[in-house]
Amino acid sequence: GAVVSQHPSRVICKSGTSVKIECRSLDFQATTMFWYRQFPKQSLMLMATSNEGSKATYEQGVEKDKFLINHASLTLSTLTVTSAHPEDSSFYICSASRSGEISGNTIYFGEGSWLTVV
Amino acid sequence: GENVGLHLPTLSVQEGDNSIINCAYSNSASDYFIWYKQESGKGPQFIIDIRSNMDKRQGQRVTVLLNKTVKHLSLQIAATQPGDSAVYFCAERGTGRRALTFGSGTRLQVQP
Repeated sequence: GAVVSQHPSRVICKSGTSVKIECRSLDFQATTMFWYRQFPKQSLMLMATSNEGSKATYEQGVEKDKFLINHASLTLSTLTVTSAHPEDSSFYICSASRSGEISGNTIYFGEGSWLTVV
Repeated sequence: GENVGLHLPTLSVQEGDNSIINCAYSNSASDYFIWYKQESGKGPQFIIDIRSNMDKRQGQRVTVLLNKTVKHLSLQIAATQPGDSAVYFCAERGTGRRALTFGSGTRLQVQP
């Protein structure tokens, strides 16, 4: 079946540095990918919708200059957390849609990336 | 913005019992709902979905009920097993939107 892969699964970075998280669709082309953030014991909060070949659409309250999203190909979207701070420590999850229709059978989630900023 | 929330943060059941997890949503324009299971440190796993033109849908050991009048969604798990222990989220898609909005989650604990 379709698989979405995230890398790295865990990363520790120093405060003030930037870190990049990759989201890849392994056996299908994804024109749209979504980035979520999940704090411990909380729900997934949508950060942005990543569209291949165009600018990402950010949710209200998400700083686009801090969370840089690049969807340069149909199989790869990247999230770069710039000037990371300890409060950015979280579980970041991406999902990818294999078709234009958004449904449970066409949206696939990655395994998530744990970011710890020290 | 619109909110999707849950009544019960934690549900503890005995193995073999049936489980019912509830979700309230406030966006009357939502046209599609999904239940996800999330195990610790992993991404969400699709369980079952339902469209707004339906009020019930059954899968293997799971049933989703939708009551649009009171904006309520439930997930029923029959013969709950220890492997069902996880956090369950409902998610909704608003009409015209492509992204999913997740509810606050319920942790299901199955006692052997």
